[in-house]
Amino acid sequence: EAGVAQSPRYKIIEKRQSVAFWCNPISGHATLYWYQQILGQGPKLLIQFQNNGVVDDSQLPKDRFSAERLKGVDSTLKIQPAKLEDSAVYLCASSLDGTGATDTQYFGPGTRLTVL
Amino acid sequence: DAKTTQPTSMDCAEGRAANLPCNHSTISGNEYVYWYRQIHSQGPQYIIHGLKNNETNEMASLIITEDRKSSTLILPHATLRDTAVYYCIVESYKYIFGTGTRLKVLA
Repeated sequence: EAGVAQSPRYKIIEKRQSVAFWCNPISGHATLYWYQQILGQGPKLLIQFQNNGVVDDSQLPKDRFSAERLKGVDSTLKIQPAKLEDSAVYLCASSLDGTGATDTQYFGPGTRLTVL
Repeated sequence: DAKTTQPTSMDCAEGRAANLPCNHSTISGNEYVYWYRQIHSQGPQYIIHGLKNNETNEMASLIITEDRKSSTLILPHATLRDTAVYYCIVESYKYIFGTGTRLKVLA
């Protein structure tokens, strides 16, 4: 079974530029998550989708970050404009169904963003 | 804030059992305990989870105390490839990661 795919694996941009990350979840998984992991810290949830609807985006800095999952499968996360403090690893995860009492999440390899 | 407390780091000799503790004294009755690990430059990898009973799979064993206020992840025969950051998470519809335990397996 293929895992969660993410691209690109690495990205270097200048501050104030824009950047987009792509995620393809495990086939059949209804729930998709984007996390931000700053060096030395655990991942922090940015946004959670259930199919193509947003379940939780309380930690997403909406003035510069946006995410979509138009057809309920692939997702993109965009930052515009980027700041130095956005340098981090952006992780995508998926789970079978996020509505139950428990649901195991499976993570992709992440995209390492460096903002100069 | 994370609902779990873990030691910052631990060392373990190769071939010995690695016992990683986690405190979750505010856990609620319907919240599961999940363990993940993150090897350098990779995404977190699922290890095991449980609610009340002890659990075992091909990777590890999870021992949960009767009052559910703490748990221990056991890697029965640690290898150098088990060197990673291990996260204990109390899950209630979402994951809140702490800073985890950095386990170093020594040759």
